[in-house]
Amino acid sequence: EVQLVESGGGLVQPGGSLRLSCAASGFTFSSHWMSWVRQAPGKGLEWVAYIKQDGSETHYVDSVKGRFTMSRDNAKNSLYLQMNSLGVEDTAVYFCARGYTGFVFFDFWGQGTLVTVSS
Amino acid sequence: DIVMTQSPDSLAVSLGERATINCKSSQSILYSSNNNNYLAWYQQKPGQPPKLLIYWASTRESGVPDRFSGSGSGTDFTLTISSLQAEDVAVYYCQQYYNRVTFGQGTRLEIK
Repeated sequence: EVQLVESGGGLVQPGGSLRLSCAASGFTFSSHWMSWVRQAPGKGLEWVAYIKQDGSETHYVDSVKGRFTMSRDNAKNSLYLQMNSLGVEDTAVYFCARGYTGFVFFDFWGQGTLVTVSS
Repeated sequence: DIVMTQSPDSLAVSLGERATINCKSSQSILYSSNNNNYLAWYQQKPGQPPKLLIYWASTRESGVPDRFSGSGSGTDFTLTISSLQAEDVAVYYCQQYYNRVTFGQGTRLEIK
């Protein structure tokens, strides 16, 4: 059974940092593009970043470029999102999502982890 | 970036009736080399992550009821629920994956 379990969310002050993790199981992690998608409270979905199977390529939404870094460890079946210089606009539930083989639409999603940026 | 615009923002349909949600992209998301439209549809119920319904604009994901169908090409796309069931109450999103990723703003579907 495919499982994606996010962790690392919490309350952080503006300007602070947080590292999210996503533990994957039940599939060949190294064969899939992976992504982070966020959803602010009561709002729609916003794609944040995705990473190629071998980690050699990453893409980010403009609003997080230079602040967020996505990475993966295929030996540990894990995905990460390092978030720096956080602002209140980054408050959201962050979902880890699996890309369909070779493409970046998402066939499995984690339950999400809540990041709250507030003083 | 490609902008995805859904209409309407909300929709109320009677049980057993047809529901239609539209999605328009700011540029074509039809890839000419393979003739595929790089568009997916998701369903999100409260407190849950999104669920993939449709990809390549019209291919139904495994396990998705056949009352859900997708159509369209180029810049204009439609998600149709042929006979609305109570469990279909949700927010629906379109997503393009032609150039990076963008989602539509969502359409809230309710029972009339």
